[in-house]
Amino acid sequence: DQQVKQNSPSLSVQEGRISILNCDYTNSMFDYFLWYKKYPAEGPTFLISISSIKDKNEDGRFTVFLNKSAKHLSLHIVPSQPGDSAVYFCAASVYSGTYKYIFGTGTRLKVLA
Amino acid sequence: SQTIHQWPATLVQPVGSPLSLECTVEGTSNPNLYWYRQAAGRGLQLLFYSIGIGQISSEVPQNLSASRPQDRQFILSSKKLLLSDSGFYLCAWTRGDEQFFGPGTRLTVL
Repeated sequence: DQQVKQNSPSLSVQEGRISILNCDYTNSMFDYFLWYKKYPAEGPTFLISISSIKDKNEDGRFTVFLNKSAKHLSLHIVPSQPGDSAVYFCAASVYSGTYKYIFGTGTRLKVLA
Repeated sequence: SQTIHQWPATLVQPVGSPLSLECTVEGTSNPNLYWYRQAAGRGLQLLFYSIGIGQISSEVPQNLSASRPQDRQFILSSKKLLLSDSGFYLCAWTRGDEQFFGPGTRLTVL
């Protein structure tokens, strides 16, 4: 049972345009959401996060939106740059003695120059 | 600053051979530690987590085991590898709500 889903395995965007990566979850107990960026053969690097008490968090070119009623979050990258090409994972956490993180399957973003 | 190390970076092992992957964290004490696996075409699957020395929680039944002999050391092991154990293994630690990953180990079982 996949509690965190990224239904688009890949996305191609022109340089300078907006990239929108989507993520859906099923567990209403999740209280913190994160986006990671991953290059091949490297560990994921933290990008941006959002608490369940917020609906938007912005950091430079990256904005994460959370719609709790729809159990949906999205990552917007504006403007997209070729260096943004990577696999993006969304993750949700729930506290159960310690924080446990459930990851989606990832979306491969390709930004075309 | 905190740093997380994993070794080896890559490993090719025959089916039925043992496995030992090591993860160490520097610059923090009593971290919560995690092992994940990324298999081809799949997301990051949580395998084990540990909140302290000798305390291991397993998330999925499998051919692997984990141990935490020291506060900042987390080891992933197997007595006999299967082909399905191939993947990219990641160690991670948490600071508050955020999780930070090591560089990973690419394991290929032949």
